[in-house]
Amino acid sequence: DAGITQSPRYKITETGRQVTLMCHQTWSHSYMFWYRQDLGHGLRLIYYSAAADITDKGEVPDGYVVSRSKTENFPLTLESATRSQTSVYFCASSEWQGNEAFFGQGTRLTVV
Amino acid sequence: KQEVTQIPAALSVPEGENLVLNCSFTDSAIYNLQWFRQDPGKGLTSLLLIQSSQREQTSGRLNASLDKSSGRSTLYIAASQPGDSATYLCAVRPDSSASKIIFGSGTRLSIRP
Repeated sequence: DAGITQSPRYKITETGRQVTLMCHQTWSHSYMFWYRQDLGHGLRLIYYSAAADITDKGEVPDGYVVSRSKTENFPLTLESATRSQTSVYFCASSEWQGNEAFFGQGTRLTVV
Repeated sequence: KQEVTQIPAALSVPEGENLVLNCSFTDSAIYNLQWFRQDPGKGLTSLLLIQSSQREQTSGRLNASLDKSSGRSTLYIAASQPGDSATYLCAVRPDSSASKIIFGSGTRLSIRP
């Protein structure tokens, strides 16, 4: 099916562990984004990418790493998870900067 | 730094009413503005996209307007229905960095049957 999919949908991990959230889009959109959504803070941009092998930091990048070796995939890695990274994570994509952005269904991550 | 504000944070109206949701942004140099809907526990669904050169966009009972010079956008919902209950978010793409999308905090809308 065409679209943008995130996996897993739910994840519980322990403090200090590395965890990777996956994002895959089937449209070959150039732009991809990672956001986290928290009560009281709304949606905050973690990292974004304008094309394969081009990534840049957003508003809250500390503790996160991204890569984009293929246009369709944009994984987000928490190198050493902390409780403050408990959140709902959303991936998004758009064809180019003037187009609509489309969002995945989100990954609810709990760090215990 | 671009900031996006949505007021009110929550709104409750009876079914059938026409209503307006507001979005304001501090820097008028935007590439476009997009309205989204988010249901509880779900992702964001795109409703309308307005390019900076446009004044409004319509989709069914929804109409979004854009006034760049005043830094404002409104989302008009006609003949509201209980199924319209959700959180509505607006987001802008700044001219200075169109690779980014900056969100407001949303308006939580409740339509009473």
